[in-house]
Amino acid sequence: SQTIHQWPATLVQPVGSPLSLECTVEGTSNPNLYWYRQAAGRGLQLLFYSVGIGQISSEVPQNLSASRPQDRQFILSSKKLLLSDSGFYLCAWRGQGNQPQHFGDGTRLSIL
Amino acid sequence: KQEVTQIPAALSVPEGENLVLNCSFTDSAIYNLQWFRQDPGKGLTSLLLIQSSQREQTSGRLNASLDKSSGRSTLYIAASQPGDSATYLCAVDPADKLIFGTGTRLQVFP
Repeated sequence: SQTIHQWPATLVQPVGSPLSLECTVEGTSNPNLYWYRQAAGRGLQLLFYSVGIGQISSEVPQNLSASRPQDRQFILSSKKLLLSDSGFYLCAWRGQGNQPQHFGDGTRLSIL
Repeated sequence: KQEVTQIPAALSVPEGENLVLNCSFTDSAIYNLQWFRQDPGKGLTSLLLIQSSQREQTSGRLNASLDKSSGRSTLYIAASQPGDSATYLCAVDPADKLIFGTGTRLQVFP
């Protein structure tokens, strides 16, 4: 069966520090991969999605970037974190065709 | 621009009640609609996916309907249990990108 892993589960970082969040999927090949953010009091917002290795689409301008170095690995990064980057970050995957999206357990990021 | 609204924002019911959660969207050009459950501090669990050509989907005590022309979906929960307490989110997929509502926070008390 397919599984999705995200780490770390929680992270506390100072303003201006770099960020790297990792997401991996097992049990499937060539998935579509997604990064979402859930800010306090706000809904889930799509940040990036990828349909293949090295193919990244950004949905909103921001201080973050994403990369997909391998088929089942999706990384969310920042060179310098801002206070506004705080939130709950969720990775998701979807198989080919009209299939449901499945989410990881999320990373709670707090910026001090 | 697609907007997704969920009503009510919060709901508290006694155990055993049947209940309906509502989701509305402004643009009917969607591939599918998905219902999720989110427990506090956790990720999302997919409950049901309704493709645009379908009218409803059922899983156990859950039944979701879709009326694309009117931009509405409902999630029906039969015989609610305390374990059903969570936030329920609907999301529409216009082009492989989910657009979420803000959710309905459900509490079922014994």
